[in-house]
Amino acid sequence: GAGVSQSPSNKVTEKGKDVELRCDPISGHTALYWYRQRLGQGLEFLIYFQGNSAPDKSGLPSDRFSAERTGESVSTLTIQRTQQEDSAVYLCASSLDSGPYQETQYFGPGTRLLVL
Amino acid sequence: DQQVKQNSPSLSVQEGRISILNCDYTNSMFDYFLWYKKYPAEGPTFLISISSIKDKNEDGRFTVFLNKSAKHLSLHIVPSQPGDSAVYFCAASDGSQGNLIFGKGTKLSVKP
Repeated sequence: GAGVSQSPSNKVTEKGKDVELRCDPISGHTALYWYRQRLGQGLEFLIYFQGNSAPDKSGLPSDRFSAERTGESVSTLTIQRTQQEDSAVYLCASSLDSGPYQETQYFGPGTRLLVL
Repeated sequence: DQQVKQNSPSLSVQEGRISILNCDYTNSMFDYFLWYKKYPAEGPTFLISISSIKDKNEDGRFTVFLNKSAKHLSLHIVPSQPGDSAVYFCAASDGSQGNLIFGKGTKLSVKP
């Protein structure tokens, strides 16, 4: 079926505004991850959802960042009161399961966020 | 303090020759390693992986080597093709968490 999709593909916002990014994982994938990549940097883990378990929020950089996922479907990443340092590509990935055996993560195309 | 390091930000190779991309890690609990390839304006795509119980995994032109004692892995591409030009990310997992720890990437340019 279709791969991971993300929307919007690009977002330009003003400092202080809230933004919401959306991720549609591959159907049947129970695990969903958010990463970001700032310019010249590697991928930085933000948050991870596994089924109905409480999400692992250990990578969220501040309390301005939050994410939700309904069941095993769509996830939204919300950034409140955006700052210029939030400018990055936000990548979503999904995998079949994240149990004892690492499953391959499949990435979406990303949302390019620019905070002016 | 980076747990996964790719010390070469870029690499240029002639078409047909071997490309060797290197990755070092510091966390001895990592037991699964992956390489992802990323084209501009696209998300990373999975390329090849290796479990810590192996020292080599091969898939077509791509081979990943793991040296656990040195905490080092490498990706070999033979023969290199211009379409291989992309940024290659090394990633690692310790199995306790779902997320992967990524390196900063190496930009490979394969010249015709």
